[in-house]
Amino acid sequence: AQSVTQPDIHITVSEGASLELRCNYSYGATPYLFWYVQSPGQGLQLLLKYFSGDTLVQGIKGFEAEFKRSQSSFNLRKPSVHWSDAAEYFCAVADRSGGGADGLTFGKGTHLIIQP
Amino acid sequence: AAGVIQSPRHLIKEKRETATLKCYPIPRHDTVYWYQQGPGQDPQFLISFYEKMQSDKGSIPDRFSAQQFSDYHSELNMSSLELGDSALYFCASSLGAAGNTIYFGEGSWLTVV
Repeated sequence: AQSVTQPDIHITVSEGASLELRCNYSYGATPYLFWYVQSPGQGLQLLLKYFSGDTLVQGIKGFEAEFKRSQSSFNLRKPSVHWSDAAEYFCAVADRSGGGADGLTFGKGTHLIIQP
Repeated sequence: AAGVIQSPRHLIKEKRETATLKCYPIPRHDTVYWYQQGPGQDPQFLISFYEKMQSDKGSIPDRFSAQQFSDYHSELNMSSLELGDSALYFCASSLGAAGNTIYFGEGSWLTVV
C-alpha cells in the first residue's frame, strides 16, 4: 500500500521568503502525486499534480513541485510567500496501477505560518 | 465553473441517530469519492464510486453506507452515530478514474453530541 510522509508538521516562514515543503512517498511504481491546500474550515484546493512527463510541475498561486524518483520525493516550492499562503498543505498519492477510482492517500499535512 | 456541491454544510446529530450527506459532482464527472477528516487530521478515504458502481473501499465503518445514483449524485448514510464520527466529510469528483484530477467540495461538518 502506498504511503505519504510530510516530515514537517509546522513551518514558519517570513513573508517574501522562499518556501519548500517536503513530501516523500512510498509506492512500488510511479504514482500520481498531488499537492492540496486547505484553509481553516475550508475544502481542499488542488495546487498541482504530477502524472508523467516533465518532473518540474507548475501549479496555481505561484507554486511548483519537483518529482524526484531517486529520492521518492515531491517537494513543493514557492520563491516568495505571501501572508495569504498561510494554510495547511497536504501531499497526496494515488494508485495508478488498478485503473479504478482509487482514493487518495494523504500525508499528515504541514501547517504553514507566515511571519510579517 | 461549477464545483462539487455538498449538503448540508453543517449537521448536528445525537448519538445513535442517523445522518445522510449528499454530494453533487461537477457536471459530467462520473466518479465520486468520500473522505472523512477528523479535527487536526488528514483526510481519510472512505469509499468511491465509478459509473454508479462501488469502485474502491477504504476505512469506511460498517455503520456507514453510500451509493451513487443514476444522475451521478451520491449519498453517504451514517447510522448509530458515535461521538467519534464528528468530522468534516468531503465529497470529491473526477472525470473517469485512474488518477484523473480529483476536485473536492467544501465539506459537510457533522457534529455528534
